[in-house]
Amino acid sequence: GAVVSQHPSWVICKSGTSVKIECRSLDFQATTMFWYRQFPKQSLMLMATSNEGSKATYEQGVEKDKFLINHASLTLSTLTVTSAHPEDSSFYICSARLGETQYFGPGTRLLVL
Amino acid sequence: AQSVSQHNHHVILSEAASLELGCNYSYGGTVNLFWYVQYPGQHLQLLLKYFSGDPLVKGIKGFEAEFIKSKFSFNLRKPSVQWSDTAEYFCAVDSNYQLIWGAGTKLIIKP
Repeated sequence: GAVVSQHPSWVICKSGTSVKIECRSLDFQATTMFWYRQFPKQSLMLMATSNEGSKATYEQGVEKDKFLINHASLTLSTLTVTSAHPEDSSFYICSARLGETQYFGPGTRLLVL
Repeated sequence: AQSVSQHNHHVILSEAASLELGCNYSYGGTVNLFWYVQYPGQHLQLLLKYFSGDPLVKGIKGFEAEFIKSKFSFNLRKPSVQWSDTAEYFCAVDSNYQLIWGAGTKLIIKP
């Protein structure tokens, strides 16, 4: 139980385009999901907390207009990287909270050329 | 600010050796504590967690961790490691429903 999926698992895009990443809780409902970014050889950096039916809460330094988060249902949150630049290339990971535990998706590797 | 520190960034052990990975946190209030593991090429998986009760918690794959409140510690242990335990281990503390992460410890088990 408590499975979280992400799609796509990897994506390559051109600079200036937008990329949407989906995070789904497959066997449970999650009112709260989280989006992280993981840099090479570093720990996870929380980007934002996504709450179903309301606006996401962004961490300091994360541009909300660049990283659009939508949590339209209890099983789906999306992260859209708008006008992507090469410095946005990274590994993006989502998690969904069940009770007091976060369960993680497999991550999406984004490469912006 | 709350923080989580993992003392060892890299640990190399031989099979059958005993393991202890240190984790200390700075938050003084009530905390929920977690250990997550990331095997090579795989995503983060919950290894074990502590919310309350018995401070010695047992997780999957023979791992256990002990919460020592007076030391602000939540060290991970395994009596006898296997080659398949090669992975990166992350300690995390839940503060206000957000996870504060340690930097991770890369564990390499020599066959």
